[in-house]
Amino acid sequence: AQRVTQPEKLLSVFKGAPVELKCNYSYSGSPELFWYVQYSRQRLQLLLRHISRESIKGFTADLNKGETSFHLKKPFAQEEDSAMYYCALKGFGNEKLTFGTGTRLTIIP
Amino acid sequence: NAGVTQTPKFQVLKTGQSMTLQCAQDMNHEYMSWYRQDPGMGLRLIHYSVGAGITDQGEVPNGYNVSRSTTEDFPLRLLSAAPSQTSVYFCASTRVPGANVLTFGAGSRLTVL
Repeated sequence: AQRVTQPEKLLSVFKGAPVELKCNYSYSGSPELFWYVQYSRQRLQLLLRHISRESIKGFTADLNKGETSFHLKKPFAQEEDSAMYYCALKGFGNEKLTFGTGTRLTIIP
Repeated sequence: NAGVTQTPKFQVLKTGQSMTLQCAQDMNHEYMSWYRQDPGMGLRLIHYSVGAGITDQGEVPNGYNVSRSTTEDFPLRLLSAAPSQTSVYFCASTRVPGANVLTFGAGSRLTVL
């Protein structure tokens, strides 16, 4: 079975402060991990995936297999980062994408 | 190129009524899926399809039916709506099964009274 845990339902951060959204997963094989984001009145969209090892909108996430984590980080929060963030996992050879419960990030001006 | 189109955007039903949520994509995607989004529960997979004529159950399939007669369309049917099915429903697709990036529809908000 594959499971994704996002321990924080709500997170408020001041503008300019660092942001970290936590994601832990449970999966016995080699997972693929993703972060999806839903801005207000917009569709859910991919933010980044671990295999790309890229930075999108200043966000990065590193897959830590030892801690089974894939935390999303940004050094300086911006107001436009306010959104709902979902961590997601796909198992190797599996078509299904399993989402976490989501974290609503609010950036305080 | 419309992407993933869901209709209706909003719907109110009475308990016991039936309805179909429509999902269509024009990207020739083989894989299509339905999720429901509930506060505190995240996105949960209802049903999915890896191609025309093939469907399978996700995490929360009870109370829902699907079919995939064409590559483009993947309707979700509620046979006898219950208040527990009040939710926001998202259709999502990707080019091939197992591909990484899902393209989502705008969502359909369903209220069952």
